[in-house]
Amino acid sequence: KQEVTQIPAALSVPEGENLVLNCSFTDSAIYNLQWFRQDPGKGLTSLLLIQSSQREQTSGRLNASLDKSSGRSTLYIAASQPGDSATYLCAVLRFSSGSARQLTFGSGTQLTVLP
Amino acid sequence: ETGVTQSPTHLIKTRGQQVTLRCSSQSGHNTVSWYQQALGQGPQFIFQYYREEENGRGNFPPRFSGLQFPNYSSELNVNALELDDSALYLCASSSPDAVGRQFFGPGTRLTVL
Repeated sequence: KQEVTQIPAALSVPEGENLVLNCSFTDSAIYNLQWFRQDPGKGLTSLLLIQSSQREQTSGRLNASLDKSSGRSTLYIAASQPGDSATYLCAVLRFSSGSARQLTFGSGTQLTVLP
Repeated sequence: ETGVTQSPTHLIKTRGQQVTLRCSSQSGHNTVSWYQQALGQGPQFIFQYYREEENGRGNFPPRFSGLQFPNYSSELNVNALELDDSALYLCASSSPDAVGRQFFGPGTRLTVL
């Protein structure tokens, strides 16, 4: 059974700081890994997707890495801003029963960037 | 390109009632997945529909059922509602391409009293 863990559960940083969010997963047989952002009470916004054959992806101030063999991913946020305050979720995509491609999520890291 | 939409936005029901949630998939996507997100938790996979057939299911009881229509929109039905069914229900659509990206709707907040 695939399990995804995110550390820390909550993080509070001053504006301008660089930060790293961590994600680990127990089964390396994944199709891809995705990082999502979720604002309170809202749906999920996809930030970055790393295919299982890739090592990292970058978008603006965000950089995500994937080490499939060790079951770890990190999301690096440079020069954090108050608008980055949200919950960040890590999810791995794998084949479930049947032919479905199923996302398994961590519980998220709640980030607060203080002005 | 129209994104994933869900209705209703919010819903309040009482224990024992039945509820139907709706999802319209993104244009060009023939696969719809449903997830349940309890407060403070990550989303949990309920099931997935591909071309009107359920092709995968998570650890949810049979009172959670679904449908997918020829236009690839989908419904999630929950019978005999329990208090623990209170959650944000998320729908995601995708195409069966090599990337495997799922696009999420805004969700339906269900409260069971």
